[in-house]
Amino acid sequence: EVQLVESGGGSVQPGRSLKVSCAASGFSFDEYAMHWVRQVPGKGLQWVSGISWDSGYRGYADSVKGRFIISRDDAKSSLYLQMNSLRPEDTALYFCAKDMGDSGNYPVFDIWGQGTMVTVSS
Amino acid sequence: DIQMTQSPSSLSASVGDRVTITCRTSQTFSSYLNWYQQKPGKAPKLLIYTVSSLQSGVPSRFSGSGSGTDFTLTISSLQPEDFATYYCQQIYSAPWTFGQGTKVEIK
Repeated sequence: EVQLVESGGGSVQPGRSLKVSCAASGFSFDEYAMHWVRQVPGKGLQWVSGISWDSGYRGYADSVKGRFIISRDDAKSSLYLQMNSLRPEDTALYFCAKDMGDSGNYPVFDIWGQGTMVTVSS
Repeated sequence: DIQMTQSPSSLSASVGDRVTITCRTSQTFSSYLNWYQQKPGKAPKLLIYTVSSLQSGVPSRFSGSGSGTDFTLTISSLQPEDFATYYCQQIYSAPWTFGQGTKVEIK
């Protein structure tokens, strides 16, 4: 079964850091680009970051550029998002999503995890 | 950034109705548009990609069309399991932006 399982969310104070993870199974993880998409509860979807199959492309939304770092470990079939200098507006459910393609460009998110909640509050 | 505007923001429909959701984009492009369905408490699910390609396993009552700045998701005969929120997404230019969503409710 193709599956993505996020973990690592939690409650953190503004200015602190948090790293969320996504464990993939059921497909050849190293052949596909991967992405993070977030959703404030009750609101819409926002693409956060994406990484190509070979980590040669890493893209970020302007709102997180310079603060968040996306990475992958193909040996562990895992995707990561290191979130630094967190702000209250980063509070959201963070979804991991598999891309149909490998480049990270023109992405089609065909598989999604259930999300991990990140709350930034003092 | 490319702005995506869906209409309506919500609609009420009955089982068996034909439902059309529109997505208008702030830039012109031809095939770089996807549609997702999200049910409460669940992750989004891919329905349609590159305007009109039906994702594997998605019922054929779902279809997509459009080009330029206007795109449409159509549900030919609404079923009970289709009550959900639908999002369009452009993949023409990063950042990959979504519409605000259209909530389809039971009449």
